[in-house]
Amino acid sequence: EVQLLESGGGLGQPGGSLRLACAASGFTFRTYAMNWVRQVPGKGLEWVSGISGYGTTTYYADSVKGRFTISRDNSRNTVHLQMNSLRAEDTAIYYCAKDSLMNFPHYFDSWGQGTLVTVSS
Amino acid sequence: DIQMTQSPSTLSASVGDRVTITCRASQSISTGLAWYQQKPGKAPDLLIYDVSSLKPGVPPRFSGSGSGTDFTLTISSLQPDDFATYYCQQYNTYSWTFGQGTKVDIK
Repeated sequence: EVQLLESGGGLGQPGGSLRLACAASGFTFRTYAMNWVRQVPGKGLEWVSGISGYGTTTYYADSVKGRFTISRDNSRNTVHLQMNSLRAEDTAIYYCAKDSLMNFPHYFDSWGQGTLVTVSS
Repeated sequence: DIQMTQSPSTLSASVGDRVTITCRASQSISTGLAWYQQKPGKAPDLLIYDVSSLKPGVPPRFSGSGSGTDFTLTISSLQPDDFATYYCQQYNTYSWTFGQGTKVDIK
């Protein structure tokens, strides 16, 4: 059974940083791209970032490009999202989502339970 | 980026009703279209991918159709467990966008 467990959410200062982690199990981690998708509570879904199975290619939404960095450690079955220069509009639930393919984001066949990030002074 | 527009935003229906949700892309996305179901306080759950392929375990009352820019999610006979919000998502290009969601609530 695929399991994705996010951590690292919490309160961040405007202009500050947070680092999210997603621990994966139940599948061959290195053979799937991984993604982060966020959702402002009560609002819709926004894809944020994706990373290929071997970590060689990364993808970002324009809204976070240059501020967020996605990475993965295939030896530990984890994916991270380093969030810098935080803005109030980054406040959202952040979901880790397993992709259906290896090389680039596609559709997301398993999701974690989410971690809430609040950006406020 | 490709914009995805769902309609309606809210749909009130009764158990047993046939329900149809539409999703329109701002440009052709071929067959790169998925549907997700989300219940309050929970993560989204994949229902359908590649327009019409059901994720294993999804009940056959769910079906998807369409191509190009216009797509449909149909629930043939609405069940109590189906009251939720539904999102479409395109993955045809190197940008991955969702529709704004359709909430299906009890009439």
